[in-house]
Amino acid sequence: DIVMTQSPDSLAVSLGERATINCKSTQSLLYTSNNKDFLAWYQQKPGQPPKLLIYWASTRESGVPDRFSGSGSGTDFTLTISSLQAEDVAVYYCHQYYSPPYTFGQGTKLEIK
Amino acid sequence: QVNLVQSGTEVKMPGASVKVSCKASGYSFSTYGISWVRQAPGQGPEWMGRIVVYNGNTNYTQKFQGRITLTTDTSTSTAYMELRNLRSDDTAIYYCARLKYGCSDFWGQGTLVTVSS
Repeated sequence: DIVMTQSPDSLAVSLGERATINCKSTQSLLYTSNNKDFLAWYQQKPGQPPKLLIYWASTRESGVPDRFSGSGSGTDFTLTISSLQAEDVAVYYCHQYYSPPYTFGQGTKLEIK
Repeated sequence: QVNLVQSGTEVKMPGASVKVSCKASGYSFSTYGISWVRQAPGQGPEWMGRIVVYNGNTNYTQKFQGRITLTTDTSTSTAYMELRNLRSDDTAIYYCARLKYGCSDFWGQGTLVTVSS
């Protein structure tokens, strides 16, 4: 199974500042036939299901604010929130859908400093 | 609008089975797959398996093999997840989600399954 490891486990950032979360997979998530990385990012707030933010490593889901961006390829990926807002406090998960069983990272808890 | 509505809270004894339903609306049910993900208290999401609705093909995480069955009823646009031989560590919120390109874009509200004697 592909193991997803996120860093850091928790992060405190001031309002308006940049937040960066990293995700590493144990094998490449790049499917060469279509040149796409099978990596998604989710945001989860207490009492809610995860919400899809980013897929194909860098494609923003419809309705997601443009302060959220994804980057990276192969085995190393990053979620960036360019200017942290209060409503961004949540746990963030990376998720590989390259090969079943699809797996999630352990999560990064984002708080306001 | 896309909506996935799951069945209600379940309380089960160890060794019992549970069957959670997930009724889809707002899209062509057979065009997308359905994944099932669970989340134990205070833990991250755990992917359990998926079903390709149009042909019924399934993939399951190894740890659930032999205990889980995913099915769909296209006449009612409903997906089902059955988990057998329940243990206390199966206590979790169980989610269904629509699969888009393999990742889950729309999620159900979740079904709490508690396993306790």
